[in-house]
Amino acid sequence: DIQMTQSPSSLSASVGDRVTITCRASQSITTYLNWYQQKPGKAPKLLIYAASRLQSGVPSRFSGSGSGTDFTLTISSLQPEDFATYYCQQSYRTPPFTFGPGTKVDIK
Amino acid sequence: EMQLEESGGGLVKPGGSLRLSCAASGFAFSTSDMHWFRQAPGKGLEWVASIYTSPIYISYADSVQGRFTISRDNAENSVFLQMNSLRAEDTAVYYCARLGNTHYNWNDYTWLGPWGQGTLVTVSS
Repeated sequence: DIQMTQSPSSLSASVGDRVTITCRASQSITTYLNWYQQKPGKAPKLLIYAASRLQSGVPSRFSGSGSGTDFTLTISSLQPEDFATYYCQQSYRTPPFTFGPGTKVDIK
Repeated sequence: EMQLEESGGGLVKPGGSLRLSCAASGFAFSTSDMHWFRQAPGKGLEWVASIYTSPIYISYADSVQGRFTISRDNAENSVFLQMNSLRAEDTAVYYCARLGNTHYNWNDYTWLGPWGQGTLVTVSS
């Protein structure tokens, strides 16, 4: 199975900050990488697929990059509604669907 | 609007059984691959089971193999998760999700969405 890791596990940031989250796969997954946002008590929501493609309706301050084993999710200017936990997920070889352990973004 | 709604969660004793349901609307359910995930309190997302339509294929996580059964009823636009021999470590919010796909750059990419709101399963004596 393909294992996913993320860093950091949590971060504190202020509104307006630029935030970067990294995700690493245990083997090359080319660009088969999705990012999800989850707010407390809510279901995950797809933000980005194919490593860099923004899902319809997602604000353009979110962006994704990377290929192979290393990926990043960037929020260019953090907004109050962006405080949440972010998960990466590989779609290269499923099942199993494997996720990173998550990165919690909270208010500094 | 595509929507999923889970039901059937609750409190059950170790060794007991529970059947979760997930009702779909707003998309072509009969041709959609459907999946169950769970999230233990304060933990990350864990895949549980999948049911594919073409080809017909069912798969389970090792942690539930032999105890859980995924099924679907296309006439009811629903997917189910029968959970037997429940253990304390099965305590979690259970989500169903649809597998979407997009053709981009000569490749087919899959992603999960929508997700249901989740249903809480608590296994405790």
